[in-house]
Amino acid sequence: GAGVSQSPSNKVTEKGKDVELRCDPISGHTALYWYRQSLGQGLEFLIYFQGNSAPDKSGLPSDRFSAERTGGSVSTLTIQRTQQEDSAVYLCASSRGGPGANQPQHFGDGTRLSIL
Amino acid sequence: GENVEQHPSTLSVQEGDSAVIKCTYSDSASNYFPWYKQELGKGPQLIIDIRSNVGEKKDQRIAVTLNKTAKHFSLHITETQPEDSAVYFCAVPNQAGTALIFGKGTTLSVSS
Repeated sequence: GAGVSQSPSNKVTEKGKDVELRCDPISGHTALYWYRQSLGQGLEFLIYFQGNSAPDKSGLPSDRFSAERTGGSVSTLTIQRTQQEDSAVYLCASSRGGPGANQPQHFGDGTRLSIL
Repeated sequence: GENVEQHPSTLSVQEGDSAVIKCTYSDSASNYFPWYKQELGKGPQLIIDIRSNVGEKKDQRIAVTLNKTAKHFSLHITETQPEDSAVYFCAVPNQAGTALIFGKGTTLSVSS
C-alpha cells in the first residue's frame, strides 16, 4: 500500500490478557518506530528498528512490552498481562533512513487499545 | 536529554486570519524540525519540515521559520480555513537520532 498500515484499528481486551499489534511500513523504508499516545497527550517514543534489529528500545515502559520486526518489513508490538494504564493509541511510523538521517517519519492511523 | 516546549496549547482564530505556533528546544545540535497535523481518529501527518541550513520554508499557506540562535521554530498558517482545525505537533530528533521528541500539541480551531 501507499502508506503505513496498522491493525487492528481498535482493540478492546480484559486486564491481564496479552495483545499483539501489527505495523506494515511503507515499502522500502528501513527504519520503523513505535510511539504511544495517551488521551490528550503528546507522542511518547517506545522503540526504533533499523532493519530487523532494535538499537533503541529505551522507551518501552516495562518488560511486559516487546517488539520484533521480521524480513525488514512488518513489525509486531506485544503487550503481556495488560494493565489499565496500557490503554492508549499505539502509533507506528516508518522512514527511509537510519539514525541521524533526518528523513521524514510517516505515521499510520494507530491502534486504539482499551483495557477493561 | 532533548526538551521541547510548544505554545500555545489552544488557539482559536476566525477564518481568514493567520495562526502562529511556536516551539522551543534545548539541544543546540538539533538540525531537523518537522511539524505534524493530527485530525481526530487519524495518525499525525507531516505537513512541513525544515533543516538547520535554512531559516524559512514555505509551502502554499504554510511556512516554518527557524531561529537556531534562540533555539525556537514556528509554524505559520495564513488565510486559515475550517479544515485547518486539528491538533498540531512540533518535533525534534533525540540526540541519538533514533526517535522524534514531540511537543504537547496545539489545538487549532478555525471558526467560519
